[in-house]
Amino acid sequence: AQSVTQLGSHVSVSEGALVLLRCNYSSSVPPYLFWYVQYPNQGLQLLLKYTTGATLVKGINGFEAEFKKSETSFHLTKPSAHMSDAAEYFCAVSAGYSSASKIIFGSGTRLSIRP
Amino acid sequence: DVKVTQSSRYLVKRTGEKVFLECVQDMDHENMFWYRQDPGLGLRLIYFSYDVKMKEKGDIPEGYSVSREKKERFSLILESASTNQTSMYLCASSPRTGMGNTYGYTFGSGTRLTVV
Repeated sequence: AQSVTQLGSHVSVSEGALVLLRCNYSSSVPPYLFWYVQYPNQGLQLLLKYTTGATLVKGINGFEAEFKKSETSFHLTKPSAHMSDAAEYFCAVSAGYSSASKIIFGSGTRLSIRP
Repeated sequence: DVKVTQSSRYLVKRTGEKVFLECVQDMDHENMFWYRQDPGLGLRLIYFSYDVKMKEKGDIPEGYSVSREKKERFSLILESASTNQTSMYLCASSPRTGMGNTYGYTFGSGTRLTVV
């Protein structure tokens, strides 16, 4: 069965500092991996995804993530945090090989940015 | 711009009322999903549908039902609302992508339901 673990329910960084949000997955099949962002009182928005090919994936708002099969990780990074990055971030994995595949979400990491 | 539209952003209902949460997508997606989101519990799948008139239970279906009479519309029904159903409800859709979901979900903006 597929699962996702996000390390740290809350991460706080200074404006301009590196953002690193950690995600580890478990999957019995090659995974499809996603990062979503949720701003207050809004739905989730896709930041980036890995399906096949290049393991370093670039997304919107300057975020990127690297798929590391050997470490079963898909950590999200941004070189320089901006106040507008404050939000909740969810890592997710596509659950299995089915045409109606559900996506399994991690429990989320709240990112705070200090001025 | 593709969209998933949830009919209400905020809703207040009384205990025992029958509540309908509506979700419409304009992307011709086969799959639609209902989640609830609570602090500390993440997103929990209530029901999903992979075709018109088809539905599958998710992880927490108790107290809920769904209806999908048309491809673009997926309704979540609280038969008799209770205070423990106070939550943020999120609708999502995705196309049928073959083996595995390579598309991800498109989410609506959510409905924050308060049951008093």
